[in-house]
Amino acid sequence: GQQLNQSPQSMFIQEGEDVSMNCTSSSIFNTWLWYKQDPGEGPVLLIALYKAGELTSNGRLTAQFGTTRKDSFLNISASIPSDVGIYFCAGYYNTNAGKSTFGDGTTLTVKP
Amino acid sequence: ETGVTQSPTHLIKTRGQQVTLRCSSQSGHNTVSWYQQALGQGPQFIFQYYREEENGRGNFPPRFSGLQFPNYSSELNVNALELDDSALYLCASGAEDEQYFGPGTRLTVT
Repeated sequence: GQQLNQSPQSMFIQEGEDVSMNCTSSSIFNTWLWYKQDPGEGPVLLIALYKAGELTSNGRLTAQFGTTRKDSFLNISASIPSDVGIYFCAGYYNTNAGKSTFGDGTTLTVKP
Repeated sequence: ETGVTQSPTHLIKTRGQQVTLRCSSQSGHNTVSWYQQALGQGPQFIFQYYREEENGRGNFPPRFSGLQFPNYSSELNVNALELDDSALYLCASGAEDEQYFGPGTRLTVT
């Protein structure tokens, strides 16, 4: 089946630093998604990417849909303590977000 | 606040027992998906229901089953519980390109 490899597994950074994480897939996707999950909650969608090569921003977050359709990355600029959490990439091939394949997450720790 | 609620929050069961987890979706969302999230891993797709019919299943055995009701609520049933079924179970409701997750039910099998 489809597999998503997400890296790094964890990151420890200083407040104010920029962060970069990426995701690669064994199969192509039509849509890439980036989620954040806080303890005791379900994942919350941060950014959705629908076209190869697309670069999309949401505040301090920027994500790109790789041109091969098998990879994506997420950047967070000027990190703040509330950025702490687990970030997941996910993808799906058809127009059905409810059948997404998820990576295993990047755990981000931000030191004040 | 996604408008998706799940119950119970936590549950402890013994190996071999059966469990029913519940989800209440947002009004108007005609699909509900269930995911299993083991500790330290990402959510894994179990199955999806669309208009009360199963609409796709991931790599999970038949002892995982579900129901979707006309009032936007749904259930995940797991029979013959195994220790490896211990996980956070998430439901997500939505339509096509959108899905909104509930907070999950933490199931522990002893």
